[in-house]
Amino acid sequence: NAGVTQTPKFQVLKTGQSMTLQCAQDMNHNSMYWYRQDPGMGLRLIYYSASEGTTDKGEVPNGYNVSRLNKREFSLRLESAAPSQTSVYFCASSLISGGAQETQYFGPGTRLLVL
Amino acid sequence: QKEVEQDPGPLSVPEGAIVSLNCTYSNSAFQYFMWYRQYSRKGPELLMYTYSSGNKEDGRFTAQVDKSSKYISLFIRDSQPSDSATYLCAYEGTSYGKLTFGQGTILTVHP
Repeated sequence: NAGVTQTPKFQVLKTGQSMTLQCAQDMNHNSMYWYRQDPGMGLRLIYYSASEGTTDKGEVPNGYNVSRLNKREFSLRLESAAPSQTSVYFCASSLISGGAQETQYFGPGTRLLVL
Repeated sequence: QKEVEQDPGPLSVPEGAIVSLNCTYSNSAFQYFMWYRQYSRKGPELLMYTYSSGNKEDGRFTAQVDKSSKYISLFIRDSQPSDSATYLCAYEGTSYGKLTFGQGTILTVHP
């Protein structure tokens, strides 16, 4: 049982390049989330998917797109990377989107550097 | 004003000390309160959660919530070097599943 996995672990991009961050969970969870973590800012929600087939914007969605490919996988795409998107990106999942009793489980993160 | 304020530290204490970590919040809609622990270069993991004012204990950890003052605390008794991590407070309001995190406090417990 791997939990939440993310690929790649680390990536360097040039301004204007595109890339997709991959996330998969094997816990049969319904809800999945993408966060970014910056120094002094804590974790901020980019997008989330309450269930397969649905996605919604979080606090900082500009410059990102997401795809809930199936129940297991939730990808985050940067169409034209900017230095402001240098960050550590975390994917998380929870059984359902309803209440604090539904713990969010986090992946190990992807460190992205945009030059 | 940020919805959640958390002292980023860093906080350095000797082994065996009692540690107090604090967060304040401004949004009265927050109903559920959580503490996450994040080791270096790892993802956060849920440490404790509560939804009411008062104290909740789990081993060496106690979470305290004061809704009237919009203040939550995490106490760690008999701190150990393995407690060295970043501690993030988090809140959930009426939008289920959408968490608001504090900035995180970096804690180091030295032997």
